[in-house]
Amino acid sequence: KQEVTQIPAALSVPEGENLVLNCSFTDSAIYNLQWFRQDPGKGLTSLLLIQSSQREQTSGRLNASLDKSSGRSTLYIAASQPGDSATYLCAVAPAGGTSYGKLTFGQGTILTVHP
Amino acid sequence: NAGVTQTPKFRILKIGQSMTLQCAQDMNHNYMYWYRQDPGMGLKLIYYSVGAGITDKGEVPNGYNVSRSTTEDFPLRLELAAPSQTSVYFCASSSLGGGLDTQYFGPGTRLTVL
Repeated sequence: KQEVTQIPAALSVPEGENLVLNCSFTDSAIYNLQWFRQDPGKGLTSLLLIQSSQREQTSGRLNASLDKSSGRSTLYIAASQPGDSATYLCAVAPAGGTSYGKLTFGQGTILTVHP
Repeated sequence: NAGVTQTPKFRILKIGQSMTLQCAQDMNHNYMYWYRQDPGMGLKLIYYSVGAGITDKGEVPNGYNVSRSTTEDFPLRLELAAPSQTSVYFCASSSLGGGLDTQYFGPGTRLTVL
């Protein structure tokens, strides 16, 4: 059974810092890995999707890397801003079989960026 | 373009009551999903559907039922509500299954069972 773990559970940083969020998964047979952002009381918004054949994806100040063999992904946020404060979740999609869209989520990292 | 909509936003139920959580999407997506999120936890899949008339169980289906009569709508039914069903419920949809593309999420329904 796939298990996804995110470290740290919470992170508080001053504005302007570069930071790294970590995600690890136990079964390397994945199709892709996604990073989501969740604002308080809101739904999830997809940030980046990395296919299993890719090593990284970038969007603006966000960069996500994937090392499938070691079961790890990192989300790098450059020059953090207070507006980046949110919960960040990673989720993995299984490879093959009939597990259509059965994403397995980590528990999330709560990020606070203070001015 | 409304995306994925959910109603109601909040609901309080008494133990043993029943209710239906509504979910609709206007993106013509075939795949739809129901998740629950407990405090400090990730999302767990309750049920999913790969198209109208086709549904299947996810990781935590007990106590819930779904139907998919149209492409747009995917209601989640709670029968005999229990305190363990207190959670935030999210509906999502995607154009492709198998994790091939991203899922779009609704704003959630916060349910409390007392």
